[in-house]
Amino acid sequence: LAKTTQPISMDSYEGQEVNITCSHNNIATNDYITWYQQFPSQGPRFIIQGYKTKVTNEVASLFIPADRKSSTLSLPRVSLSDTAVYYCLVGGGPSDTGGFKTIFGAGTRLFVKA
Amino acid sequence: DSGVTQTPKHLITATGQRVTLRCSPRSGDLSVYWYQQSLDQGLQFLIQYYNGEERAKGNILERFSAQQFPDLHSELNLSSLELGDSALYFCASSISGREDTQYFGPGTRLTVL
Repeated sequence: LAKTTQPISMDSYEGQEVNITCSHNNIATNDYITWYQQFPSQGPRFIIQGYKTKVTNEVASLFIPADRKSSTLSLPRVSLSDTAVYYCLVGGGPSDTGGFKTIFGAGTRLFVKA
Repeated sequence: DSGVTQTPKHLITATGQRVTLRCSPRSGDLSVYWYQQSLDQGLQFLIQYYNGEERAKGNILERFSAQQFPDLHSELNLSSLELGDSALYFCASSISGREDTQYFGPGTRLTVL
């Protein structure tokens, strides 16, 4: 199972760019890297996904180096509403029945200040 | 709105009781996942169903069970409830082949008194 390591928490100010790095040394060849955002008392929300190099959407960018052992979620010009927990998910590992055993780590608590 | 619905939104019950949580996946999604999130445990994967069959099992207690019906909605049954079962329970769904991209429902907050 690909285990992920992220910083427990980060602080930022409005208007700044925030980069959250996730380490996943044991990533498998066919694993994608997925980031989710979760607000208090709400379900996680898919933000972005990538396999290698760089992916960008209207919300964030995801940078993945060639060795894929880490990834960086970049949030441009954060606002107060970006205060949330951000989870990095890498595969989930096969189960005996071929299912998907999702493993969320502790996530990174981002606090954006005015 | 993710398209995943969960009922009820809140549930308050007593220890020893049994409750059923319900989830309807997004239209077209065959996989349903259940998660438990409590303050001190983070987001814990419980179980996955795919088209009516159990596919993966996480840290699900024997007092808990789930099933997925022919119309693809799923139910999570929690019995002999304990105070420690108080948590948010989330359901998620995904399309076949993209299990790493899950869409989560709003959750059911269970309080056991």
